[in-house]
Amino acid sequence: AQRVTQPEKLLSVFKGAPVELKCNYSYSGSPELFWYVQYSRQRLQLLLRHISRESIKGFTADLNKGETSFHLKKPFAQEEDSAMYYCALIAGFQKLVFGTGTRLLVSP
Amino acid sequence: IAGITQAPTSQILAAGRRMTLRCTQDMRHNAMYWYRQDLGLGLRLIHYSNTAGTTGKGEVPDGYSVSRANTDDFPLTLASAVPSQTSVYFCASSVHRGNEQFFGPGTRLTVL
Repeated sequence: AQRVTQPEKLLSVFKGAPVELKCNYSYSGSPELFWYVQYSRQRLQLLLRHISRESIKGFTADLNKGETSFHLKKPFAQEEDSAMYYCALIAGFQKLVFGTGTRLLVSP
Repeated sequence: IAGITQAPTSQILAAGRRMTLRCTQDMRHNAMYWYRQDLGLGLRLIHYSNTAGTTGKGEVPDGYSVSRANTDDFPLTLASAVPSQTSVYFCASSVHRGNEQFFGPGTRLTVL
């Protein structure tokens, strides 16, 4: 079965520090992976998807099939990055499977 | 263009009562979904619909039912609410199953 693991429930960093939110997945085929973000009292929204290979709000994520990982990175965290981040997986045409989420807290 | 909307925003409900959460999208998306969001558990799929007239069970369907009479609406019904159904409920839609999902603002439900 498809599974997404986000090992950290909370990640706390200072403004300007690098950030890495970990995501590992299990799927035997070629998955499609996403990062969704939920800012305080707002709806979930797509941050980025691996097939687009783009950088959104300074965040990037690279799919590593060997390590089955899709970690989200940003070199310099900003206070407005504080939010809940969910890694998600679509395998084939199956449903979107979410990880349990990591809360990022960026302190001044 | 509203996108995807949910109603009510929040609700406090007595156990045993029936409740329908509404979800409407105006993007003509074929697929729609209901998730519940619980601390430490992330988002879990309750039910989904690939297209109008069809529905399917997700990861945690027990105690919930859905219908998809048309493309735009996908109501979620709790026939007899229980306290364990206290959660934040998110509706989502996508062009087709497997595409990017767009989420509604959520409904915060408390069952006492």
